[in-house]
Amino acid sequence: DVKVTQSSRYLVKRTGEKVFLECVQDMDHENMFWYRQDPGLGLRLIYFSYDVKMKEKGDIPEGYSVSREKKERFSLILESASTNQTSMYLCASSLLKVEKLFFGSGTQLSVL
Amino acid sequence: AQTVTQSQPEMSVQEAETVTLSCTYDTSESDYYLFWYKQPPSRQMILVIRQEAYKQQNATENRFSVNFQKAAKSFSLKISDSQLGDAAMYFCVSSGNTPLVFGKGTRLSVIA
Repeated sequence: DVKVTQSSRYLVKRTGEKVFLECVQDMDHENMFWYRQDPGLGLRLIYFSYDVKMKEKGDIPEGYSVSREKKERFSLILESASTNQTSMYLCASSLLKVEKLFFGSGTQLSVL
Repeated sequence: AQTVTQSQPEMSVQEAETVTLSCTYDTSESDYYLFWYKQPPSRQMILVIRQEAYKQQNATENRFSVNFQKAAKSFSLKISDSQLGDAAMYFCVSSGNTPLVFGKGTRLSVIA
């Protein structure tokens, strides 16, 4: 069965810390995405990648960066965590650019 | 840029009854897909139904069906014979040549 795994379900960090959110997929998908989910705002795209070593900014990239050194792994990095980055983070992958997304179970990040 | 609008933040339905969730979208793409995703309290995003824009026939999946009005850019979801397990956040999603764009969601409650 297809699987997208996010390393942590819950995470608590301090303001100013560097935070890594890891995502691994086992489906050999080319495309991977990071979304942020906030109540009343739906899912907003942070960064995405259509190939290894490739990354593109989504709608809200400020304060974030990403790394994709291997096809199966897409990491989201908060260089200096701030309280307004407290949110649910969802990783997803897809075989085709406009096709169905497979989601991880999310990481609820709290920045104190 | 694509936009997706869900005008009903919350809805409720009696068990065994039928409910319709509304969605409108805007896209300049000629070829695109539309989706409804469900997110239960477990937070796992689940694909409910998919519609290719070039197909005139409305998609159906068991108790779930859509009313796709291409000219009006409307894509509503009908849930028949509602069950307690249908209680979730529902997201309308549009996809063209850019990554999937999510609406803000409709929270559906099912009353026993």
